[in-house]
Amino acid sequence: SQTIHQWPATLVQPVGSPLSLECTVEGTSNPNLYWYRQAAGRGLQLLFYSVGIGQISSEVPQNLSASRPQDRQFILSSKKLLLSDSGFYLCAWSFRGGSADTQYFGPGTRLTVL
Amino acid sequence: AQSVTQLGSHVSVSEGALVLLRCNYSSSVPPYLFWYVQYPNQGLQLLLKYTSAATLVKGINGFEAEFKKSETSFHLTKPSAHMSDAAEYFCAVDTGRRALTFGSGTRLQVQP
Repeated sequence: SQTIHQWPATLVQPVGSPLSLECTVEGTSNPNLYWYRQAAGRGLQLLFYSVGIGQISSEVPQNLSASRPQDRQFILSSKKLLLSDSGFYLCAWSFRGGSADTQYFGPGTRLTVL
Repeated sequence: AQSVTQLGSHVSVSEGALVLLRCNYSSSVPPYLFWYVQYPNQGLQLLLKYTSAATLVKGINGFEAEFKKSETSFHLTKPSAHMSDAAEYFCAVDTGRRALTFGSGTRLQVQP
């Protein structure tokens, strides 16, 4: 069976500090990978998605970036955090296929920028 | 562009009462629609999805949803609420680019 891991689970960072959140998937190959952000009291916003190693699509211009150095590893980064970067970050994966593929979500990372 | 609208950010029901969470979609092509549930500080879990095979879709935990093209709706229902159903529920539509567009969510509260 497939599992998805995210770490850290919680993170408190000062404004202007760097960020690195990691997501890994086990039990499948060539997954599509996604990063979402959920701000307090709001829905999910798609930040990035990837259909393969080194292939990243950005949905929202911001000070965040994503990388996929390995097939089942997806990293979300920032060089300098802003207060507005606070939120709940969710990684998800789906099988490499067409539409209607279910996305499976990780447990999330709660980021607080002070 | 495809989008979903969830009517009611908060819904409160009594234990044993009917649960109805509303979702309306906007799509220029036949949509694929999903309902996810999120428990506090956890990721999202799929409840059910519509992929055009049948208009009434049954999911986990006794939930179901009916796709109504004429009303552009995909409302989520459960005949009898349980305390464990208290969570946030998200409707989503497949944008056709292997990404989902989510509604803003509905927080369900179940009163004893």
